[in-house]
Parts: sequence; C-alpha cells; structure tokens
Amino acid sequence: SAVISQKPSRDICQRGTSLTIQCQVDSQVTMMFWYRQQPGQSLTLIATANQGSEATYESGFVIDKFPISRPNLTFSTLTVSNMSPEDSSIYLCSALQGRNTEAFFGQGTRLTVV
Amino acid sequence: GDSVTQMEGPVTLSEEAFLTINCTYTATGYPSLFWYVQYPGEGLQLLLKATKADDKGSNKGFEATYRKETTSFHLEKGSVQVSDSAVYFCALSDYANFGNEKLTFGTGTRLTIIP
Repeated sequence: SAVISQKPSRDICQRGTSLTIQCQVDSQVTMMFWYRQQPGQSLTLIATANQGSEATYESGFVIDKFPISRPNLTFSTLTVSNMSPEDSSIYLCSALQGRNTEAFFGQGTRLTVV
Repeated sequence: GDSVTQMEGPVTLSEEAFLTINCTYTATGYPSLFWYVQYPGEGLQLLLKATKADDKGSNKGFEATYRKETTSFHLEKGSVQVSDSAVYFCALSDYANFGNEKLTFGTGTRLTIIP
C-alpha cells in the first residue's frame, strides 16, 4: 500500500492559536480522511477530505473549528483552530487507494494544548 | 448507524497463552470487517480483514472469521508473544455503499503480554 507522511509528528501549542497538519501520500488516492484519537480513546472520524470541494464533516465537527483542504489527489491539510486543552489528541490522516481497498494511516500528529 | 462493540480491556496474558478479543457489530448494509493494531508510539496498521460472510482473515498468527449470523468478528491467536503487546481495534466499513467508505472503530483493547 501507499505511504502517508504526516507533519508535524508532535507539537505543543498555546491555547487560542491554530495548528495546520499536513498529510502527503506517495501515490494518488481516491479518498482521504481525518480522525481524532483522544487520550486512551478510540478513533473518531472528523471529516472526509474531498478533492477540490468542501470536506464532509461528521456530527459534532464543524468547518470553522477544523478547516480542511485537499487541493489534489495526494495531499490534504487539517487545521485545528482556536485551540483549547480539550483539543489535545492524536490526529490521524487516512486514505483509500480505490474502492474495496483497505484504509491505511499516517503515523499521527500528537497535539498538546497548554 | 453503524457501530462496533469491542471487548473491554486491558487484557494481560502470559507468553504462549491463547488470545481472544471479542468484537460484534451493527450495520445496515454488508460491511467489510477489519482488525487494526497500534504498537506503542506508532500509527495504525491493518492486521487482517474479511469482506464477506464466512471469510477468514489471517496474518502473523492472528485469525478472525466474519460471522454474519452472530454479527461477530472475534480476533484469536493460539500462542501470543511479548511482541504482540499493542492496542487492537476492530472496525467496519460499508464499502458497498459508495460514499460511505469511512471506518467505524471499536473502543480498542490494550493487550499486554508478560514473559
């Protein structure tokens, strides 16, 4: 399967600031997703990143808080805006190379908000 | 909506013990089922999958069988090793429903194997 590079791998941020996480895949993929994994918890889907159009957000997540871009078939960004300590989580990028293929994941970005 | 219920952890076993981690699901369509593993400090890796009823996924000595009648996908391994210590996630995806390829995860089970 393809390889996802996610940057940064970790960061410590001040509350009220924003952080943009980058996700680069080494080959074209059909779908890209952003998940959040809160400490000791499972993964929750934030949104599906759509190429050339607005992301599709899951219930409880909004564009103003988590703006997402996907300018092409290999790259996406997730911004965590106006951060608070409750945003401290691991954020994971995931992708599918085609229908009926399994999803693969980046290494994650460990975010701590202080 | 779709959901996955996974055996609560943590689970601690001695090396060479038999492992079962239970997973059941609820889905409106015909989902594909997965086990992902997260080793300490790493991202998620696909461990095995099954895409239709009675399929058995297997990898690294782990097995799971897609049981439609009991809506289950239990993970088993006959003899665990210390290197199997990780968090295991059961997940499903409704690939047949175009536009719904997202994964729904269980809560995860932390497995610790002691020598």
